[in-house]
Amino acid sequence: DTGVSQNPRHKITKRGQNVTFRCDPISEHNRLYWYRQTLGQGPEFLTYFQNEAQLEKSRLLSDRFSAERPKGSFSTLEIQRTEQGDSAMYLCASSAHSYEQYFGPGTRLTVT
Amino acid sequence: AQSVAQPEDQVNVAEGNPLTVKCTYSVSGNPYLFWYVQYPNRGLQFLLKYITGDNLVKGSYGFEAEFNKSQTSFHLKKPSALVSDSALYFCAVRDGVSRGVNTDKLIFGTGTRLQVFP
Repeated sequence: DTGVSQNPRHKITKRGQNVTFRCDPISEHNRLYWYRQTLGQGPEFLTYFQNEAQLEKSRLLSDRFSAERPKGSFSTLEIQRTEQGDSAMYLCASSAHSYEQYFGPGTRLTVT
Repeated sequence: AQSVAQPEDQVNVAEGNPLTVKCTYSVSGNPYLFWYVQYPNRGLQFLLKYITGDNLVKGSYGFEAEFNKSQTSFHLKKPSALVSDSALYFCAVRDGVSRGVNTDKLIFGTGTRLQVFP
């Protein structure tokens, strides 16, 4: 499978714990995006990388959130001190240019 | 700021009938518009895009969309619906330039649930 992959697919954690998600984009894609989707809503942009450079972060992204893309390949999204409001589907997408983005299956986070 | 609106939470259609899922947009500059479909517990699948050129855009699975600049609309259509088309559909617009950064992030609508009945 040469699509975008995300791990884990599901994560249940207790409030206050840290979690980390991984995204592996399509190999030739230099642009990588993270979005968050809550029930009944469309995805909301979190952050954007071009190669290893993080070029934009949404105001939605509090200081508890951090994302990296070392060497311009895979990316990780870490949430520190999770809160119940962080429960959502976290989607990763990649693209080769300024057009369509290809999404992974998402990581569903449940904070209890 | 760029935005899209999907005025219908749900669209119901009988199998074999034509379907339309509505989307209107608000952008500064030329719009880059997209349709995605989401099946339960899955990520989003790209259906089609409008960048420039022909106002009628053809995409995957027999879907097409009509770009209408005067009505600022980009409605998704299919001549003959299938039960397997039942899913959540999202319209999106590329943001363009944000706070001085040339960003390609997508701004999504709230989604329309399509239900095709046998």
